[in-house]
Amino acid sequence: QVQMQESGPGLVKPSQTLSLTCTVSGGSISSGDSYWSWIRQPPGKGLEWIGYIYYSGHTYYNPSLKSRLTISVDTSKNQFSLKLTSVTAADTAVYYCAREQRGSGTLGYWGQGTLVTVSS
Amino acid sequence: EIVMTQSPATLSVSPGERATLSCRASQRIGINLAWYQQKPGQAPRLLIYGASTRATGIPARFSGSGSGTEFSLTISSLQSEDFAVYHCQQYNTRPPWTFGQGTKVEIK
Repeated sequence: QVQMQESGPGLVKPSQTLSLTCTVSGGSISSGDSYWSWIRQPPGKGLEWIGYIYYSGHTYYNPSLKSRLTISVDTSKNQFSLKLTSVTAADTAVYYCAREQRGSGTLGYWGQGTLVTVSS
Repeated sequence: EIVMTQSPATLSVSPGERATLSCRASQRIGINLAWYQQKPGQAPRLLIYGASTRATGIPARFSGSGSGTEFSLTISSLQSEDFAVYHCQQYNTRPPWTFGQGTKVEIK
């Protein structure tokens, strides 16, 4: 059973960089059968797909965030990470990492989520 | 980008009653649609994929239907644990995947 856990600062100042890491257990990030994804949810709002990474480093980003976004993978630690630059209050959200079975488009495993607040 | 629109925003239902939630896509997506359930303080949980296939462990009272641009999720007899927010998500062809804004099913 795959388990996923987000970690990172809960408070980021405007214009700075938001950095989060997702640690995967119960399965190998290098298995080749998954896309490792980030999704966010502003307080009281709907879900927004951020992007995903394959273990090889291939990425696909949401065009709305692409200019500020980097997703990377560290197979030796079974982790993948998100960096979002030049954040504003609009980036305040619960950030989830999730696993998409490659080719399925659906998110079958999720982390518990972590709230990141952008505020000075 | 494909826009997903869910209705209603809130659905008030009594336990044991039937609930039907709707999701509309801004363009045809075949059956590339999933439904998720989200309870307060929890991550979403995959319920339905391929518009009508239940994910592993999902009770039979949950059913999905539709194709093209119009989809629905039906809960045949609401149990106390079913009161939650339900999200639809399209995954047609290539990302970005997009979600509806959610429907909250509350106790009447």
